[in-house]
Amino acid sequence: QVQLVQSGAEVKKPGASVKVSCKASGYTFIRYDISWVRQAPGQGLEWMGWMSGYNGNTNYAQNLQGRVTMTTDTSTSTVYMELRSLRSDDTAVYYCARDVKGGGMDVWGQGTTVTVSS
Amino acid sequence: DIQMTQSPSSLSASVRDRVTLTCRASQSISSYLNWYQQKPGKAPKLLIYAASSLQSGVPSRFSGSGSGTDFTLTISSLQPEDFATYYCQQSYTGPFTFGPGTKVDIK
Repeated sequence: QVQLVQSGAEVKKPGASVKVSCKASGYTFIRYDISWVRQAPGQGLEWMGWMSGYNGNTNYAQNLQGRVTMTTDTSTSTVYMELRSLRSDDTAVYYCARDVKGGGMDVWGQGTTVTVSS
Repeated sequence: DIQMTQSPSSLSASVRDRVTLTCRASQSISSYLNWYQQKPGKAPKLLIYAASSLQSGVPSRFSGSGSGTDFTLTISSLQPEDFATYYCQQSYTGPFTFGPGTKVDIK
């Protein structure tokens, strides 16, 4: 079945970096894009950015520009999201989701909890 | 950036009630509007895409309408499993912003 499986929870200190993986299976990886969405505790959903599964093009949220990088390894159908210079307000659950152009995010990973604390 | 607003921010309803949630965009987004349901501790689930298309496997009691700047999600007969938070999201142009959500709880 179509699924996205994310890497496990992380605890990081302020100023550090985190890299979350999202492994896709059950579909042709390069035919779909992947978006990343995060949710701080008790808060709503925040779109972080998008990566084309076809050519690796990216589009990042303005407020994360310079701190976030999304990459892909098509050989393993895995997308990575790296966030640098972590701050306490980066503490959140991070989700990857398959993004269908014009069709919303139809398959979601299970979420990865990232805690930033000194 | 396109701003999304939702109303109400929360509502209390009973099983079998008809419920209508509203989402508004700060500029026209044509029909590039998606609706998600999220339950505590779970990933969001896509309900409606392109404003009015029902995602496969989603019960027909969910429906969406609207275009331009004003959109609605209707649950025709609320079921116990529908108590959740609902988010709209525009996919017209990046950043693909979400609304703040509407929490539907039990009256």
